[in-house]
Amino acid sequence: EIVLTQSPATLSLSPGERATLSCRASQSVSSYLAWYQQKPGQAPRLLIYDASNRATGIPARFSGSGSGTYFTLTISSLEPEDFAVYYCQQRSDWPPGVSLTFGGGTKVEIK
Amino acid sequence: EVQLVESGGGLVQPGGSLRLSCAASGFTFNRYWMHWVRQVPGKGLVWVARIHSDGSSTSYADSVKGRFTISRDNAKNTLYLQMNSLRAGDTAVYYCARLRFSAFDIWGQGTMVTVSS
Repeated sequence: EIVLTQSPATLSLSPGERATLSCRASQSVSSYLAWYQQKPGQAPRLLIYDASNRATGIPARFSGSGSGTYFTLTISSLEPEDFAVYYCQQRSDWPPGVSLTFGGGTKVEIK
Repeated sequence: EVQLVESGGGLVQPGGSLRLSCAASGFTFNRYWMHWVRQVPGKGLVWVARIHSDGSSTSYADSVKGRFTISRDNAKNTLYLQMNSLRAGDTAVYYCARLRFSAFDIWGQGTMVTVSS
């Protein structure tokens, strides 16, 4: 099983600052890496798919990069609504893979 | 509007069973792989099971293999998760999700399953 390790666990920043979140895979996932945002009491929301493609309706301040085993999610200038937990997810075990995995999450909190 | 709506969660005793449903609307349900993902409150996301668009193939996480069964009724645009031999460790919010490209682009609101005596 491919393990995704996210860092840091918590990121304390102020509105307007730049946020850089990392996701490292235990083996190559090519570009099959997605990022999600989750707020308390809500389902996750897809932000980025295939490492660098923004999902429908996602603001341009969100960007993704990377390939192979190292990926980053950048929020260029934090808005108040961006403080949340962020997860990465891979699906390169496909087919005939039997699992997809998520990272442990990075909480972006207000400093 | 594209949406997924789960139902069927609740409180069940250890060893008991529960069936979750996920009603899809606003898209052509029979064109997509569908999945279940769970989340213990305050913890991370864990993939549970998947099913091919026509129901011909299924896969499960090791933690639920042999106890959970994923199925679908494309005529009713509904996804199911039959959960048997439930354990305390199965307590979580269960989400159904649509896989598009390599990511889950549509999620339901989640349904809470609590396994406790």
